[in-house]
Amino acid sequence: QVQLQESGPGLVKPSETLSLTCTVSGGSISSYYWSWIRQPPGKGLEYIGYISYSGGTNYNPSLSSRVTISVDTSKNQFSLKLSSVTAADTAVYYCARLGTRGVPPAILWFGPWGQGTLVSVSS
Amino acid sequence: QSALTQPASVSGSPGQSITISCTGSSSDVGSYNYVSWYQQYPGKAPKLMIYEVGNRPSGVPDRFSGSKSGNTASLTISGLQAEDEADYYCISYTSRSSSVVFGGGTKVTVL
Repeated sequence: QVQLQESGPGLVKPSETLSLTCTVSGGSISSYYWSWIRQPPGKGLEYIGYISYSGGTNYNPSLSSRVTISVDTSKNQFSLKLSSVTAADTAVYYCARLGTRGVPPAILWFGPWGQGTLVSVSS
Repeated sequence: QSALTQPASVSGSPGQSITISCTGSSSDVGSYNYVSWYQQYPGKAPKLMIYEVGNRPSGVPDRFSGSKSGNTASLTISGLQAEDEADYYCISYTSRSSSVVFGGGTKVTVL
């Protein structure tokens, strides 16, 4: 079965760029869409964006000016970069596979999810 | 403020049924059968429980069911069990940004 694992620094300084990678195992990254979601401590979930195996992207409008999601099919990985971070970007960051339908895709579900990784923004 | 509105908390006794509502708009819940529900235990990743309004993935107990009426989707847990105590989130496709909107989450307490 497909499993996802997030990796990257747990501490980022304000104004710098947060970088995370999600490694997909147990299946190919091709033929699916892949997403990043985050959850500030004690708060709800927030959609960051998604990428297709061919590189097409969609970003949350509130974050789009700072977000870049990329895919590396040779490594079965996809990545997140969030620039100019502040303390408000402190959160657990999850990667997840998407179920979709149609073109452009309608998102049907998120699953499975990675275990999540806490990223703190602090000097 | 979340785009989809959920009650902050719902509680019930073991064996009872509870329903969690998820209210959106004609741009999301009201126009598409693309609502999904997730269960999240503290410190754990969310788990898909219902997709496309009322479909259960393999392995999800049939105590969990979903429905929709107008701009409001609902998750019902029948025969409530202690292990159902968790946070639940709804997500819907939205045409506004061709992506998704999230509910703020509902904490389910088993009394």
